[in-house]
Amino acid sequence: EDQVTQSPEALRLQEGESSSLNCSYTVSGLRGLFWYRQDPGKGPEFLFTLYSAGEEKEKERLKATLTKKESFLHITAPKPEDSATYLCAVREPNTDKLIFGTGTRLQVFP
Amino acid sequence: DAGVTQSPTHLIKTRGQHVTLRCSPISGHKSVSWYQQVLGQGPQFIFQYYEKEERGRGNFPDRFSARQFPNYSSELNVNALLLGDSALYLCASSLASGRPEAFFGQGTRLTVV
Repeated sequence: EDQVTQSPEALRLQEGESSSLNCSYTVSGLRGLFWYRQDPGKGPEFLFTLYSAGEEKEKERLKATLTKKESFLHITAPKPEDSATYLCAVREPNTDKLIFGTGTRLQVFP
Repeated sequence: DAGVTQSPTHLIKTRGQHVTLRCSPISGHKSVSWYQQVLGQGPQFIFQYYEKEERGRGNFPDRFSARQFPNYSSELNVNALLLGDSALYLCASSLASGRPEAFFGQGTRLTVV
């Protein structure tokens, strides 16, 4: 069964303290791995799509990387405005259905 | 450009009632998907529609139904509401089937009492 597991469930960082979020997946034939940011009570905001092992994408303080079994979202020198829940998802083969993990709730303190 | 818009933003219903949620996709997007997100969990896939046809259905009871209109907007209907249907209902649009970069609306918060 296709599955996405994110860790840690919650992460507290001091402003400027870099860290990484993990997303491990099991899917028969990866057709895309997606990272979203979600603020409380809002819909997920699209961040990145990764398709093949070794691929990397960056946006401001965020960098997403992909291996054959997991993806990392690296946050460099985070700021309080980076506080949010970060969701990882994979596309189910032969469909457009996204299978989401439960997310990592990130809090960045000044 | 307007993003995905959903209405209403909040809704309170009583058990056993019926509810209709609405979604307008990004201009030019022809695929609409619906997700349910319970507090503390990731979104769960309910339906996908593309060119007015159902392309996918998640593991939800028949009380849940949806449709897509010629202008690509969509409605999600839920009958015989249960307390467990309380959740954030999200609509996502993408350019076409097979283009999975999905952009979400702000959601409709449904509370069943």
